[in-house]
Amino acid sequence: QVQLQQWGAGLLKPSETLSLTCAVYSGTISGSFSGYYWSWIRQPPGKGLEWIGEINHSGSTNYNPSLKSRVTMSVDTSNNQFSLKLNSVTAADTAVYYCASRRGSGLYYFDYWGQGTLVTVSS
Amino acid sequence: QSALTQPASVSGSPEQSITISCTGTSSDIGTYDLVSWYQQHPDRAPKLMIYEVTKRPSGVSNRFSGSKSGNTASLTISGLQAEDEADYYCCSYVGDYTLVFGTGTKVTVL
Repeated sequence: QVQLQQWGAGLLKPSETLSLTCAVYSGTISGSFSGYYWSWIRQPPGKGLEWIGEINHSGSTNYNPSLKSRVTMSVDTSNNQFSLKLNSVTAADTAVYYCASRRGSGLYYFDYWGQGTLVTVSS
Repeated sequence: QSALTQPASVSGSPEQSITISCTGTSSDIGTYDLVSWYQQHPDRAPKLMIYEVTKRPSGVSNRFSGSKSGNTASLTISGLQAEDEADYYCCSYVGDYTLVFGTGTKVTVL
């Protein structure tokens, strides 16, 4: 089964760039998990979940239209990890950010999740 | 794409059954059988409970079941237990390779 471990800066100032990375264990992004899509999902404090977007092993991405202009996702197959960058952050971007796996084309559900990283945007 | 609509809260006594609704539109839930449900306990990552409307992952109790009618999907918890007290979120594919979550429902076991 997939195991995900994520990390990144937890405190940002407005206008800075959020950067998070998620490492994949128990298999390889370009091998055993090559059919997967790797997602980022966030949850503001006390609020619901929001899908940010996803990337596959070849770098093909799909983004939430509401965040598309500020989001960049990348994949590093040599280190078996994928990353999220969100630029020009504001207080509204304060949230717990999760990485998650989606098993592949046509399979639209998230079966494994990272532990979550709280990112706070404050001046 | 707006969030799918769920009731803010649902409650029930132990051993009762409860149902959580998730309402979308004819463009998302009404078109695709790609609804999933997640359970989230406080300060924990969500856990997949149901996928593709009715399917249960290995290890998930058969007390959890899913269904869909028109633009509304539902999650039913039978034989409610104290450990079922949590937040529940639906999620649906909405086309153009994007997904949307529901607003979330807090389940309280009385």
